[in-house]
Amino acid sequence: GAVVSQHPSRVICKSGTSVKIECRSLDFQATTMFWYRQFPKKSLMLMATSNEGSKATYEQGVEKDKFLINHASLTLSTLTVTSAHPEDSSFYICSAPTANTEAFFGQGTRLTVV
Amino acid sequence: AQKITQTQPGMFVQEKEAVTLDCTYDTSDPSYGLFWYKQPSSGEMIFLIYQGSYDQQNATEGRYSLNFQKARKSANLVISASQLGDSAMYFCAGGDTSYGKLTFGQGTILTVHP
Repeated sequence: GAVVSQHPSRVICKSGTSVKIECRSLDFQATTMFWYRQFPKKSLMLMATSNEGSKATYEQGVEKDKFLINHASLTLSTLTVTSAHPEDSSFYICSAPTANTEAFFGQGTRLTVV
Repeated sequence: AQKITQTQPGMFVQEKEAVTLDCTYDTSDPSYGLFWYKQPSSGEMIFLIYQGSYDQQNATEGRYSLNFQKARKSANLVISASQLGDSAMYFCAGGDTSYGKLTFGQGTILTVHP
């Protein structure tokens, strides 16, 4: 089946620094990818839609300057958390839809800002 | 836009018994898909089963079946012969079948007792 790879799986960073998370579709092309955020034992909340070759579409309430999304190729989308603060600590996970309508998810990234 | 509701924060089941996890949805889209995902403590999202709004029959995948009742707008997941490894968080999700953008329910934590 389709595979989406997300790296890193865990990252700890200092407050004020930036962190980049990569999401790759390994065996299919994804013109669109989605980024979700999840707090412990809570639901997945869509943050933004990543569009290859154009600007990302952010959900209401998501800071565009805080969460930079780049979709430079048909197989790679990146989420950069800029000037991270402890409240940005969370589980971030990406997904990519396939031609079969199913969305495959990356392994997720657990971000801890200290 | 879709709204997905899971009203069971937690469920307990005895090993080898069947369990039903509830999910109701609300959408104005004429065509949509409903998904169930399993999320173990590692955080990965494991696809379980999919039901399209125009599918005549209820979806079945091994021990998982989806009890789709369109008139009641419900898409309950039935897990038969529960195993200890089924203990996890379960999410119902809905989306436009052509796009892959998903809205998630609140999730249900399933605990399987030996």
